[in-house]
Amino acid sequence: QVQLLESGPGLVKPSQTLSLTCVVSGGSITSGPYYWSWIRQPAGKGLEWIGRISASGSTNSGGINENPSLKSRLSMSVDSSRNQFSLRLDSVTAADTAVYYCARTQLPDTTGAFDIWGQGTLVTVSS
Amino acid sequence: TVMTQSPLSLPVTPGEPASISCRSSQSLLLSNRHNYLDWYVQRPGQSPQLLIYLGSNRASGVPDRFSGSGSGTDFTLRISRVEAEDVGVYYCMQALETPYTFGQGTKLEIK
Repeated sequence: QVQLLESGPGLVKPSQTLSLTCVVSGGSITSGPYYWSWIRQPAGKGLEWIGRISASGSTNSGGINENPSLKSRLSMSVDSSRNQFSLRLDSVTAADTAVYYCARTQLPDTTGAFDIWGQGTLVTVSS
Repeated sequence: TVMTQSPLSLPVTPGEPASISCRSSQSLLLSNRHNYLDWYVQRPGQSPQLLIYLGSNRASGVPDRFSGSGSGTDFTLRISRVEAEDVGVYYCMQALETPYTFGQGTKLEIK
């Protein structure tokens, strides 16, 4: 059974870079086809999709899609050898304080749904 | 695409039905006749969990008291008989195009 687990520093200073990793267990990140997404949730608020990345060659979009609201500060990558994917968000502010989730994402030509989620990791931006 | 849910708060007596509405600012119906609308539930202290995909398909392990319906821009999640474990926040989400967007969430509570 595939499971996802996020990790990263719980505290990041304003203007610095937030880096998170999601480790995939119980299956290969390159088996699929799937996308792998990041979603965040500020305390007491709703869900915001951050972006998705493909680890296999069997997706059509070129492998990465990002939320335009974050695109200028966002980068995502996959490390197939470690069965994990990562997120980097530059120049963070207090508005980036949230619980960050990773999720397995079905391809749009199947369901497009987030069918497996990680437990989430809280990131606080504060000096 | 803007997703709008109603109501935002839903107190329900156990055993009674419940219904949540979700409206999208553009049609989620693709030429393949699928509606790219998902429903998720976030139970207290937990990650969101997929309930319904493509508008009306229950995800694996989801009880059959949950059902999804609708097409185009108007969708409904129904719970035929609410149980105590159904407490949580329910979100609709459009999966038609990126950026994926969620509704504001509907908080279901037990009376």
